[in-house]
Amino acid sequence: DIVLTQSPDSLAVSLGERATINCKSSQSVLFTSNNKNYLAWYQQKPGQPPKLLIYWASSRESGVPDRFSGSGSGTDFTLTISSLQAEDVAVYYCQQYYSSLSLTFGGGTKVEIK
Amino acid sequence: EVQLVASGGGLVQAGGSLRLACAASGFTFSDYWMSWVRQAPGKGLEWVAYMKQDGSEKYYVDSVKGRFTISRDNAKNSLYLQINSLRADDTAVYYCARKKWELPVFDYWGQGTLVTVSS
Repeated sequence: DIVLTQSPDSLAVSLGERATINCKSSQSVLFTSNNKNYLAWYQQKPGQPPKLLIYWASSRESGVPDRFSGSGSGTDFTLTISSLQAEDVAVYYCQQYYSSLSLTFGGGTKVEIK
Repeated sequence: EVQLVASGGGLVQAGGSLRLACAASGFTFSDYWMSWVRQAPGKGLEWVAYMKQDGSEKYYVDSVKGRFTISRDNAKNSLYLQINSLRADDTAVYYCARKKWELPVFDYWGQGTLVTVSS
């Protein structure tokens, strides 16, 4: 199975500041035939189910604010919140779908307000 | 509005069985792959299973193969998960989720149903 390792486990950021979350894959999730990275990001607020934010590593889901952006390729990926808002307090997960018959998630990164 | 409402969770003894259900509305259920994803208390997400629109393809995480069965009834807009031989590490909130049309990520999730396995 592809293992996704997120870092840090948690971070505290001041309102309006940038938050950066990392996701490292145990093997490349870049499909060379279409040059796409098979990686997604989700946000889970307390007491709620997850919400899809990003897929193809950098494509924003409809309705997701543009302060959320994804980047990276191969084995190293980043989710950036450019200007943290109070409503962004949540746990963030990456998910790979390169191995579509064995989907896996990262361990999660908790984002709090400093 | 897309809605996924899971039910059927509860407290069960180790070795027991449960059948979870997910009622879907607000979209054409028969057009989409559907999935179950679980989350142990205070832990991360774990994909459990998903199945094709017509039931012809089903895939499971290794830890549940042979014990869990995913199924659906398109006439009733419902997804199911039969869970047998329950173990303590199956304790989790079980979410039903809709697979995004063209790729295996999940664009809508239900609120989940809690399964607690007592030993």
